[in-house]
Amino acid sequence: QSVLTQPPSASGTPGQRVTISCSGTSSNIGSNTVNWYQHLPGTAPKLLIYSNDQWPSGVPDRFSGTKSGTSASLAISGLQSEDEADYYCATWDDSLSGVVFGGGTKLTVL
Amino acid sequence: EVQLLESGGVLVQPGGSLNISCAASGFTFRSYAMTWVRQTPGRGLEWVSGISSNGGRGHYADSVKGRFTISRDNSKDTLYLQMTSLRADDTALYYCAKGLYGRFDSWGRGTLVTVSS
Repeated sequence: QSVLTQPPSASGTPGQRVTISCSGTSSNIGSNTVNWYQHLPGTAPKLLIYSNDQWPSGVPDRFSGTKSGTSASLAISGLQSEDEADYYCATWDDSLSGVVFGGGTKLTVL
Repeated sequence: EVQLLESGGVLVQPGGSLNISCAASGFTFRSYAMTWVRQTPGRGLEWVSGISSNGGRGHYADSVKGRFTISRDNSKDTLYLQMTSLRADDTALYYCAKGLYGRFDSWGRGTLVTVSS
């Protein structure tokens, strides 16, 4: 049972916009910034969004992040087949004094 | 280019010990906090431990506290994880990552630790 709650799966067709939610509490998302990762099997996870809504160099702006209260969301617009991967949210938890991840969302491009 | 190369993962018996390491290059290692994250079979990513840039403070997940020790050698640009009292549920692919408070901007490819008799 992950501290941060994500839907286990999401799907969309090429060109569509999909969103993935991440729900937490006042001790994690409510008081710290959220980061998002893309993970393809057999590869190293990749930082997609940091500090709620910032892009690392090289990440296309088709990916965007938002945070409100104790929840955050990742939006992917103009969905492409190469976006098929697992997506994770992560943040610091003040009560646990550690990093917490969401359970991950498997995105399928139909 | 930042490179993180994990090594040391092997098959170990329950109750055993193992040290894994992560060799860093392409950035000023001593200036950055570092972290270990693991991915267990069929499950997602789980934060294991993190350490400050000077090695003075380590943080641990409750699941490994008292059994695992994180350390670093800034003269060798290397991060370590000493694992003791290993259990079957420690079986995972262990990733080394640059960063600490949830923002990890570079990751290695991982080293596989299997705990089984």
